[in-house]
Amino acid sequence: QQPVQSPQAVILREGEDAVINCSSSKALYSVHWYRQKHGEAPIFLMILLKGGEQKGHDKISASFNEKKQQSSLYLTASQLSYSGTYFCGTEIGLQGGSEKLVFGKGTKLTVNP
Amino acid sequence: DARVTQTPRHKVTEMGQEVTMRCQPILGHNTVFWYRQTMMQGLELLAYFRNRAPLDDSGMPKDRFSAEMPDATLATLKIQPSEPRDSAVYFCASAVRAAQYFGPGTRLLVL
Repeated sequence: QQPVQSPQAVILREGEDAVINCSSSKALYSVHWYRQKHGEAPIFLMILLKGGEQKGHDKISASFNEKKQQSSLYLTASQLSYSGTYFCGTEIGLQGGSEKLVFGKGTKLTVNP
Repeated sequence: DARVTQTPRHKVTEMGQEVTMRCQPILGHNTVFWYRQTMMQGLELLAYFRNRAPLDDSGMPKDRFSAEMPDATLATLKIQPSEPRDSAVYFCASAVRAAQYFGPGTRLLVL
């Protein structure tokens, strides 16, 4: 039931855009996105709840398609500080409330000058 | 600013020894998680508590791992006896209204 993230890695130049996808084989109540820099703890970015919502956070936004059981993270006009590994965490089920997440293996994003 | 704290930050021990990791969640957060991160397995949930009550420890090897929350300001994860395959970074996270805030982790090396 671990979600599948794609791509596994992406290299960008500063200013370029990227999309990271997260797909689940199970019905999802929510999708969480985190970023982790090397040697540091994961940092919370955003939560999306079922209902097909889209959220934004500076130049980072995300969408959640519950019918397709997938979420996408959009990074626009990337900055050097965006480098890191991005994880999606999925909360399985239709009712939610457990807060129990299963994390994907991550997408390593490298932004070069 | 409010942060999750974990001690120790690094631990090197020999196989067979007991290891205790401690976590102080953010004040007011009622849900506490223990995760283990390795290159091979990624981020795995070991156990979690809500209002100090254990909700799920299905990710934890029961014969050697134990997790407790003796009070609202302290969560502990104990490994006894430790094995080389337990080498990993162990994160504690606390949450309120679903967003999880991770501590800096304990980097454990079992020789």
